[in-house]
Amino acid sequence: AQKVTQAQTEISVVEKEDVTLDCVYETRDTTYYLFWYKQPPSGELVFLIRRNSFDEQNEISGRYSWNFQKSTSSFNFTITASQVVDSAVYFCALSGFTGGGNKLTFGTGTQLKVEL
Amino acid sequence: DTEVTQTPKHLVMGMTNKKSLKCEQHMGHRAMYWYKQKAKKPPELMFVYSYEKLSINESVPSRFSPECPNSSLLNLHLHALQPEDSALYLCASSPGGIATNEKLFFGSGTQLSVL
Repeated sequence: AQKVTQAQTEISVVEKEDVTLDCVYETRDTTYYLFWYKQPPSGELVFLIRRNSFDEQNEISGRYSWNFQKSTSSFNFTITASQVVDSAVYFCALSGFTGGGNKLTFGTGTQLKVEL
Repeated sequence: DTEVTQTPKHLVMGMTNKKSLKCEQHMGHRAMYWYKQKAKKPPELMFVYSYEKLSINESVPSRFSPECPNSSLLNLHLHALQPEDSALYLCASSPGGIATNEKLFFGSGTQLSVL
């Protein structure tokens, strides 16, 4: 069975602080994909990144960066110099090939609040 | 057009009503999904259509009935719902079929209240 754990329920930071959102996963698949989605108050989930299990390179996109470590089954997400617009719920998700593929297993989400 | 459009945005219905949720995408995507999301919870998969055929039904009660009339359109027919069915219903699509593990494009959802 697949499982995604986001231990941080809610994080509050002041604008311009860096913040890291943790994600730990469990899967028996040898090939799998990890995702991060952002859900602002408007409701729609916005795709941020997809990583496959064979690609452990860290990635940076603007103020966002991701640290994928297979050894610890973690896929953490860092926002540098946070802004009020970053306030949202962030979901880490896992997708494997067990059960037919593309059945995302979501973590419980981390509510990020960025204040002035 | 890179959007998934859902209508209505809000819906209030009684337990004896019949209503439908609509989802549309014009990106040529071949897989479409219905998710249910309760407040402060992650989305839960309900149904997946791949190439207009129902591929996954996550043991959803029969009072929810999905329909995929064509590759751009996905409906969710609602009948005899219970108050606990109140939730945000999200539609999503992905370019290939279900086995591709591609990113999903989500609509902004229909907030459903069952009285």
